Amino acid sequence: DAMVIQNPRYQVTQFGKPVTLSCSQTLNHNVMYWYQQKSSQAPKLLFHYYDKDFNNEADTPDNFQSRRPNTSFCFLDIRSPGLGDAAMYLCATSSWEVRPYEQFFGPGTRLTVL
Amino acid sequence: SQQGEEDPQALSIQEGENATMNCSYKTSINNLQWYRQNSGRGLVHLILIRSNEREKHSGRLRVTLDTSKKSSSLLITASRAADTASYFCATDDGFQKLVFGTGTRLLVSP
Repeated sequence: DAMVIQNPRYQVTQFGKPVTLSCSQTLNHNVMYWYQQKSSQAPKLLFHYYDKDFNNEADTPDNFQSRRPNTSFCFLDIRSPGLGDAAMYLCATSSWEVRPYEQFFGPGTRLTVL
Repeated sequence: SQQGEEDPQALSIQEGENATMNCSYKTSINNLQWYRQNSGRGLVHLILIRSNEREKHSGRLRVTLDTSKKSSSLLITASRAADTASYFCATDDGFQKLVFGTGTRLLVSP
């Protein structure tokens, strides 16, 4: 089945130790998104790629960066995680030309910062 | 902030009852969507209603949209324990991004 895959599902890191979360998709969608979701809150968009074009949200901290080496993969790098970065990180995709607006989400990566 | 607001924040019902949750938003939209999120999981798209539609059905789901009031409602009929989840409305920003509401946590007890 076509899907959005996130690895790992659970990630524990230490304060200040860089961490990379990965997302892959078999949907061949041209848009990929990274969201941060804290407990009992709505997902908050960090950035998205439209094809190779990177779009950063104005309030996304510089500590968060992303890479999209090809259509299928997208990475979220947190350079120096703080305690406040503990959250669920969600990757999503959409096919803007075929079914715009509808997003397909991965299962998420739960990040714990010690 | 464009973020929509949902009410109630939490809803607890018995199996077989109907659940209604509401969403209000602030700006004009092209469409409005509802997503479900099971605990600790990603979001799943449920239904999309366009700005020129007033009501839409999908299985046990019924969505209404009132653009004059900038509000939408999601009705789940004959609820089941498996419907226990958080439900989010989402509006588009006119580009490739969605703005999610604050969510309603639904608990359906057997």
